Amino acid sequence: EPEVTQTPSHQVTQMGQEVILRCVPISNHLYFYWYRQILGQKVEFLVSFYNNEISEKSEIFDDQFSVERPDGSNFTLKIRSTKLEDSAMYFCASRFSTGTEEYFGPGTRLTVL
Amino acid sequence: AQTVTQSQPEMSVQEAETVTLSCTYDTSESNYYLFWYKQPPSRQMILVIRQEAYKQQNATENRFSVNFQKAAKSFSLKISDSQLGDTAMYFCAFMKLSHYSGGGADGLTFGKGTHLIIQP
Repeated sequence: EPEVTQTPSHQVTQMGQEVILRCVPISNHLYFYWYRQILGQKVEFLVSFYNNEISEKSEIFDDQFSVERPDGSNFTLKIRSTKLEDSAMYFCASRFSTGTEEYFGPGTRLTVL
Repeated sequence: AQTVTQSQPEMSVQEAETVTLSCTYDTSESNYYLFWYKQPPSRQMILVIRQEAYKQQNATENRFSVNFQKAAKSFSLKISDSQLGDTAMYFCAFMKLSHYSGGGADGLTFGKGTHLIIQP
């Protein structure tokens, strides 16, 4: 069964450093998402991406964040200058079309020291 | 903006019992979808069941069923014959149907989750 993959599974970085989290969505999916989950809290929407542009973003997704689909398969989330409060699990998800389920990747655990 | 409320932070039942997890939501949208996701200790998000708001019939997936009350904005999950493997966090989620790009571009709004423990 096709699945969403994410790399790395765990990233440790120093405060102020840039990180890039990578995702490979399911190949025929059209909508791509990033979510984050701070430990013990709910999953929060960050951004959605469709037709090579951001279609919606939350208040969390400020100028420090950016997304890109550099080729036909990868979908990346970049955090330019990480803060301690960016420590969280980051989930990538993709969807084929309206109303179909979102398939989530296994997540990347980001630890900012 | 939508909000999703799960009022039960934790529930514990014996194996084989039936358990119901509650979820309420608030929205001014008329077209939307509702979902229940399961998150085991591995933290993978797994879809359990989904419900289209325009459908009156409650969704069912094997041991999992929902009680969708649109007027009351309630969407509870019933797990029958609970199993040890059902132990997990359960999140209720809302997705509105956006008019942008034919819909589907909006992300999910999640509740805070219910930690379900199935006791042997």
